Amino acid sequence: AIRMTQSPSSLSASTGDRVTITCRASQGISSYLAWYQQKPGKAPKLLIYAASTLQSGVPSRFSGSGSGTDFTLTISCLQSEDFATYYCQQYYSWWTFGQGTKVEIK
Amino acid sequence: EVQLVESGGGLVQPGGSLRLSCAASGFTFGSYAMSWVRQAPGKGLEWVSIISGSGGSTYYADSVKGRFTISRDNSKNTLYLQMNSLRAEDTAVYYCAKGRYDILTGYTHFDYWGQGTLVTVSS
Repeated sequence: AIRMTQSPSSLSASTGDRVTITCRASQGISSYLAWYQQKPGKAPKLLIYAASTLQSGVPSRFSGSGSGTDFTLTISCLQSEDFATYYCQQYYSWWTFGQGTKVEIK
Repeated sequence: EVQLVESGGGLVQPGGSLRLSCAASGFTFGSYAMSWVRQAPGKGLEWVSIISGSGGSTYYADSVKGRFTISRDNSKNTLYLQMNSLRAEDTAVYYCAKGRYDILTGYTHFDYWGQGTLVTVSS
């Protein structure tokens, strides 16, 4: 099974900050990577798929990049509603998720 | 608007059974693969199972193979997960998720998720 490793596991940031989360796959997955946002007690929400394609309705401050084994999710200007946990997911071979990155208020 | 509403969770003893349902609306249900994904308390996400739009193809994670059965009724726009021989480690919130198939690449990811239903396996 393909393992997905996110870093960091958590981070503290302030509104307006630029935030970057990294996701590494244990083997190449081309660009078959999605990013989800999850708030406590809520369902995951798709932000990005195909590594860099923004899901409809998602603010443009979210962006994704990468291919192969290394991927990045960037929030260009953190807003209060962005404090949440973020998961990467590969869909190249079945479906596996990273362990999550919790973005907390500094 | 796509809506997915899970139901059927609850407390069950180890070795017991439970059937989850997911009622879908806002899209042509039979045209899309559907999946179950679970999240143990305080933990990350784990894919459980997926079924094709017609229901003719099903796949399972190794952790549930032989114990869980996914099915769908396209006339009722409803997805199911029959869970047998439940174990403590099956305790989780179970989400249903709609598959989005990329016709150019042949790969599927999940674009909409329900709010989840909690399954607790405990004596």
